[in-house]
Amino acid sequence: GQNIDQPTEMTATEGAIVQINCTYQTSGFNGLFWYQQHAGEAPTFLSYNVLDGLEEKGRFSSFLSRSKGYSYLLLKELQMKDSASYLCAVMGGGGGNKLTFGTGTQLKVEL
Amino acid sequence: EAQVTQNPRYLITVTGKKLTVTCSQNMNHEYMSWYRQDPGLGLRQIYYSMNVEVTDKGDVPEGYKVSRKEKRNFPLILESPSPNQTSLYFCASSIAYNSPLHFGNGTRLTVT
Repeated sequence: GQNIDQPTEMTATEGAIVQINCTYQTSGFNGLFWYQQHAGEAPTFLSYNVLDGLEEKGRFSSFLSRSKGYSYLLLKELQMKDSASYLCAVMGGGGGNKLTFGTGTQLKVEL
Repeated sequence: EAQVTQNPRYLITVTGKKLTVTCSQNMNHEYMSWYRQDPGLGLRQIYYSMNVEVTDKGDVPEGYKVSRKEKRNFPLILESPSPNQTSLYFCASSIAYNSPLHFGNGTRLTVT
């Protein structure tokens, strides 16, 4: 099966930078996604990594190391509206088409 | 507007009374899937469909059925709901299985 670990909670200050880590074990790795989910709402897509390295998209960046089974999501210039749960999800499994989500990291941005 | 539409948004029912949660997407997506979200457990995949007439079990399929007779629709069927199926359910679709998912707004189901 697939196993994904990410911290349960994090707190950061408005304007700061925060890094949310995700480690995983899977066979047939076929990509890693990050989603944002505000309380009471549906998840929305943030980023996708399938090759090693950094993907940058505005204030958000995501990094992947396949050999280490490790990814992180970097959020810069934090805003209050970034307070949300951040979900790491890995596509893999025997057929490479099974998507498994981590339990999410609840980020609280404070003044 | 491109979207995934789930109905109903809220549903309270009793044990054993069959129900269907509908899901429809207007983006011509090949891949569709159902998830349940429970506190501390995150999103868990129930069933997924790679294309019309092709469905497969996810991590927690027991007690659920799905069908994919048309590309746009992917209903979730609970033949005999039980209280442990009380949860928040999300339908999602994507162009292909390794593409970003578009989620519906969720269905909060309570089984008493």
